[in-house]
Amino acid sequence: GEDVEQSLFLSVREGDSSVINCTYTDSSSTYLYWYKQEPGAGLQLLTYIFSNMDMKQDQRLTVLLNKKDKHLSLRIADTQTGDSAIYFCAASPRDTGRRALTFGSGTRLQVQP
Amino acid sequence: EPEVTQTPSHQVTQMGQEVILRCVPISNHLYFYWYRQILGQKVEFLVSFYNNEISEKSEIFDDQFSVERPDGSNFTLKIRSTKLEDSAMYFCASKKELEGNEQFFGPGTRLTVL
Repeated sequence: GEDVEQSLFLSVREGDSSVINCTYTDSSSTYLYWYKQEPGAGLQLLTYIFSNMDMKQDQRLTVLLNKKDKHLSLRIADTQTGDSAIYFCAASPRDTGRRALTFGSGTRLQVQP
Repeated sequence: EPEVTQTPSHQVTQMGQEVILRCVPISNHLYFYWYRQILGQKVEFLVSFYNNEISEKSEIFDDQFSVERPDGSNFTLKIRSTKLEDSAMYFCASKKELEGNEQFFGPGTRLTVL
């Protein structure tokens, strides 16, 4: 089955860019997602990318997909203290009939003022 | 903006007791999911539900678990006889259509089994 891996922790200074990386194993994954989880809260969908795209930009967020290496990244420009949270990468396979998401362990982003 | 809601936010129960976790998916959504997240671990898929039946379930979703859509709005997860290792955050999610891009998650129910 699919396996999604992320680094566990990232610390940046306010105003810097953050880059959170993710790798996945199932090349048939069609949609790749980034979710944000703030303390005590649920999972908020930030953005997603379809597997035939290399890049997607949405305001301060840029998603890069390297399908050959099965590598996904989320770049947050001008990182703010309010961006401190856990960021989950998730993959959705298409052709198995399963539409459930497979999540990574989450990357805790700490933004220093 | 429509959202997925879950009740209760926190449930404490004794080992061996039955619990029912409740979810109200977004009203025009057709696909429903339960996930769980044990503290410090990954979010794991439990079960998906469509057209009043289970579409898929994971190895975690054994005979102790069941799901139901008892009316047009609620989607429930029942754990028949809770174990200590069932302690986790349980998330409900819904999606409008199969090929839709977005699963919307509820805020979760924290289940503590003593």
